[in-house]
Amino acid sequence: QKEVEQNSGPLSVPEGAIASLNCTYSDRGSQSFFWYRQYSGKSPELIMFIYSNGDKEDGRFTAQLNKASQYVSLLIRDSQPSDSATYLCAVVSSGNTGKLIFGQGTTLQVKP
Amino acid sequence: EADIYQTPRYLVIGTGKKITLECSQTMGHDKMYWYQQDPGMELHLIHYSYGVNSTEKGDLSSESTVSRIRTEHFPLTLESARPSHTSQYLCASQIAGQASKQFFGPGTRLTVL
Repeated sequence: QKEVEQNSGPLSVPEGAIASLNCTYSDRGSQSFFWYRQYSGKSPELIMFIYSNGDKEDGRFTAQLNKASQYVSLLIRDSQPSDSATYLCAVVSSGNTGKLIFGQGTTLQVKP
Repeated sequence: EADIYQTPRYLVIGTGKKITLECSQTMGHDKMYWYQQDPGMELHLIHYSYGVNSTEKGDLSSESTVSRIRTEHFPLTLESARPSHTSQYLCASQIAGQASKQFFGPGTRLTVL
């Protein structure tokens, strides 16, 4: 079992719809969670972070965290073709290293 | 946010050459990382550093080496490049602390012929 798991997709949604991206993690001690967006050929860009159970909203993005279920999700409302990218879930290791553990990423395709 | 610079952005080089990929950041971040990523594939951590004179190997075995003589500078060196080293190399930095965010540089796309 991978430490951070994501469905690789592609996830295809029509323009204007809600895209829901999911991530599960194995380290129960993890406290910090991040979502990165990576366009093809570019480097990852941090778009959301969440530390507490519940929802965190930033514009069209909402991150959801459920530590009991070891589950993190990212919702993108009113999806636009420019949202088409790979979304990486990352979890901070609970050990002393504090390294980020990345999932393999979910490719999102928003069709006009 | 961090300003992280990587040079060169693109490099095409012949087999057997020694290369150094540069990474620098201006925010005084203690932690720095090197990742390797093939097109459409996962990020793999190959090296990291938690401060000056501190370097560790990452999760993916790599023939490259790194050094951290100054806080702002974390270069990666390949003594003898091979076609199997062809990949994108991403540098990142992070403020020390569990909850801190990690920021990436623009990457270096390396092609070894």
